[in-house]
Amino acid sequence: AQSVTQPDIHITVSEGASLELRCNYSYGATPYLFWYVQSPGQGLQLLLKYFSGDTLVQGIKGFEAEFKRSQSSFNLRKPSVHWSDAAEYFCAVESGNKLVFGAGTILRVKS
Amino acid sequence: SAVISQKPSRDICQRGTSLTIQCQVDSQVTMMFWYRQQPGQSLTLIATANQGSEATYESGFVIDKFPISRPNLTFSTLTVSNMSPEDSSIYLCSVAERGRYNEQFFGPGTRLTVL
Repeated sequence: AQSVTQPDIHITVSEGASLELRCNYSYGATPYLFWYVQSPGQGLQLLLKYFSGDTLVQGIKGFEAEFKRSQSSFNLRKPSVHWSDAAEYFCAVESGNKLVFGAGTILRVKS
Repeated sequence: SAVISQKPSRDICQRGTSLTIQCQVDSQVTMMFWYRQQPGQSLTLIATANQGSEATYESGFVIDKFPISRPNLTFSTLTVSNMSPEDSSIYLCSVAERGRYNEQFFGPGTRLTVL
């Protein structure tokens, strides 16, 4: 069965510092991969997605992610974090029209 | 992308009662999904709701507990029946637009507390 692992439950970064959130997936074929963000009390917002082609994908809010097939990874990055980025981030893989989510990483931003 | 609303946004209910959650989309969509997010946990798919057919439930979820309606291409309801405190969760609906099944957009969620 397809699965997604987000190894970091919590991450704290300073405002202005760079960010990398890790995501590893288990999937037999070429995966469709997603990153979503959930701000407190809100639903999920799609940040970016990878279907095929260029392995570096750009998303909204200055985020990007790189698909590395050899490492089964799809890590999310941002060069300079803003306080408003504090939220929970979910990596997901599509499997048969369904999304399988990782456990999520809570990002805290300190000033 | 589709704009999705859910009602109610939150509710506090007594055990043994039922709550119906509504999901409304501003455009016609082929597939609608219902997820549960238990406190401090990730999202788990409850069922997929397609218009004109019975909902398809995931392992561990049954129709008697979570009946779903999908009367048209813009609306769905999820009922949480005979509630217990373990049903306290955020319930989210999502939609996938026609021809783009891989990409789902989520509603704001319904925060349910069962006492």
